[in-house]
Amino acid sequence: SAVISQKPSRDICQRGTSLTIQCQVDSQVTMMFWYRQQPGQSLTLIATANQGSEATYESGFVIDKFPISRPNLTFSTLTVSNMSPEDSSIYLCSVGAGARGYTFGSGTRLTVV
Amino acid sequence: GESVGLHLPTLSVQEGDNSIINCAYSNSASDYFIWYKQESGKGPQFIIDIRSNMDKRQGQRVTVLLNKTVKHLSLQIAATQPGDSAVYFCAEKESGSGGYQKVTFGTGTKLQVIP
Repeated sequence: SAVISQKPSRDICQRGTSLTIQCQVDSQVTMMFWYRQQPGQSLTLIATANQGSEATYESGFVIDKFPISRPNLTFSTLTVSNMSPEDSSIYLCSVGAGARGYTFGSGTRLTVV
Repeated sequence: GESVGLHLPTLSVQEGDNSIINCAYSNSASDYFIWYKQESGKGPQFIIDIRSNMDKRQGQRVTVLLNKTVKHLSLQIAATQPGDSAVYFCAEKESGSGGYQKVTFGTGTKLQVIP
């Protein structure tokens, strides 16, 4: 299965600033997915990122708040913009493993103060 | 204001006993159902999946049961070990035309193994 490198692994940020999270995959993949996991909760899909097209956002998530780049088949970034304490979460990228389950990065633990 | 985090349900099991973790799903169009294990500080790790046209699938020490009539999924872990302590999530995968796919996660269950 694919190996995903995600960075930073954690960060503490001031409110009002932005953080860009990077996700690097060791093989070419068509679709990459960004999830948010709030403390003690399950994972919620933010958006799906396809190379060469705009990301598709889920209900409750907008491009202005979570801009995504997908410049090639092995890399994607998620930016959390104009952060507030409510954005404190773990952010995870994942890629599909064929018809079955997804492989996840180790996540970025974000704390907004 | 601040959001209040939910407390995950916890299942405590004696080491060596069998564990059963349950999950209800909602989307009848899902074609795969998946169980993930998430250890502290790590991303979810794939354990086992089951296709929607099956009702049982076995792996190494794990069995997944699917009851589509009541939209229920369970994960059975045999001879539970301390290394099984983690949060377990069920997920459902829906596929569509043009390569569309979406994985939706259920609420997790924290498994605590008592040595």
